[in-house]
Amino acid sequence: GAGVSQSPRYKVAKRGQDVALRCDPISGHVSLFWYQQALGQGPEFLTYFQNEAQLDKSGLPSDRFFAERPEGSVSTLKIQRTQQEDSAVYLCASSQVTGEAFFGQGTRLTVV
Amino acid sequence: GESVGLHLPTLSVQEGDNSIINCAYSNSASDYFIWYKQESGKGPQFIIDIRSNMDKRQGQRVTVLLNKTVKHLSLQIAATQPGDSAVYFCAETEGTALIFGKGTTLSVSS
Repeated sequence: GAGVSQSPRYKVAKRGQDVALRCDPISGHVSLFWYQQALGQGPEFLTYFQNEAQLDKSGLPSDRFFAERPEGSVSTLKIQRTQQEDSAVYLCASSQVTGEAFFGQGTRLTVV
Repeated sequence: GESVGLHLPTLSVQEGDNSIINCAYSNSASDYFIWYKQESGKGPQFIIDIRSNMDKRQGQRVTVLLNKTVKHLSLQIAATQPGDSAVYFCAETEGTALIFGKGTTLSVSS
């Protein structure tokens, strides 16, 4: 596709429910990033993939958060046993090995 | 109207004015900085970048200034237009990650 695509755009989850957020990066982009953006704040780094390898997961807030990119293209961010503090916009970005990172529109997660 | 000095969370200007958005960064070892524009309901969009071996870089209607001595970054927008209304973030690189600063909401009235 022309840009980074994320789905769903909006997700409402009951507390304790598991969710899966999908990111389709720009074709051919080696690097993929996940960020969490709380309301009124800047994005905060969660994790980074180079192809299928997860090279940095230092930003994942707890072991309830898990990300994968098994074939080096599409990535999924999974959150288990969601809590209210997980409510945020989750942004995916992709880039060449070096260079500008292109962001998707994000998935707005609301935990009720 | 313009803003200098400390970071302001909001900035309101008239169409046609020049705007200055400021940002303080934390890591003196950072060597790459980026300004992003984020419109409501959208992801951040790249505006302009600068490396630490430069102190100024110009794009179309935008200029970024870097003062490494005081760890300060600014974005200047010339002839601000209503379409420039958005939240602006500066970001510094830390390894492979981008570390975003506090955003500034720019409102342009016509």
